[in-house]
Amino acid sequence: QVQLVQSGAEVKKPGASVKVSCKASGYTFNGYYVHWVRQAPGQGLEWMGWINPNSGGTNYAQKFQGRVTMTRDTSISTAYMELTSLRSDDTAVYYCARFHSSSSTFDYWGQGTLVTVSS
Amino acid sequence: EIVLTQSPEFQSVTPKEKVTITCRASQTIGSSLHWYQQKPDQSPKLLIKYASQSISGVPSRFSGSGSGTDFTLTINALEAEDAATYYCHQSSYLPHTFGQGTKLEIK
Repeated sequence: QVQLVQSGAEVKKPGASVKVSCKASGYTFNGYYVHWVRQAPGQGLEWMGWINPNSGGTNYAQKFQGRVTMTRDTSISTAYMELTSLRSDDTAVYYCARFHSSSSTFDYWGQGTLVTVSS
Repeated sequence: EIVLTQSPEFQSVTPKEKVTITCRASQTIGSSLHWYQQKPDQSPKLLIKYASQSISGVPSRFSGSGSGTDFTLTINALEAEDAATYYCHQSSYLPHTFGQGTKLEIK
């Protein structure tokens, strides 16, 4: 069965960086883009960008350009999202999600990783 | 960026009631509109794709309609387990965007 398993919760100070991992199993990792979506406490869903695991190509939301880097390690079927220069309003649950191109939907999601930014 | 506006933002409903949630896009997106359900402390779950297409394993009481700029999610004969927040999502244009969510409370 398809699974996306994310790394554990993080607490960071303002100005620091965080790197969240997303390990895929149950499908061909290279065959599906991985997107990252975040959700601030009590708020809605915010799209951050995607990575093509096959080529390593990326596309980031303008809001995060310059602060976010998405990478992957195909040998271990894992995608990563690194966010730098953290601020308090980056406190959120970060989700990875598999993008099913034929339906243009996020058909499987990771369990989420809570990143707390606090001094 | 496509802005998706959902209404209502909150609704308190009784079991067996019929619920309608709307999602309006700031410009036409064809049928590239999808619906997700998110229960507390869970990840979102795909309910409907391409405005009206059903998803395997999702109860048949969930249905969708619409195209262009106006879309609707309908839940027939609401059950207690449907207490959740519902989001629409458009994949027609980058950046992907979501509606602000509709929280359903079961009385």
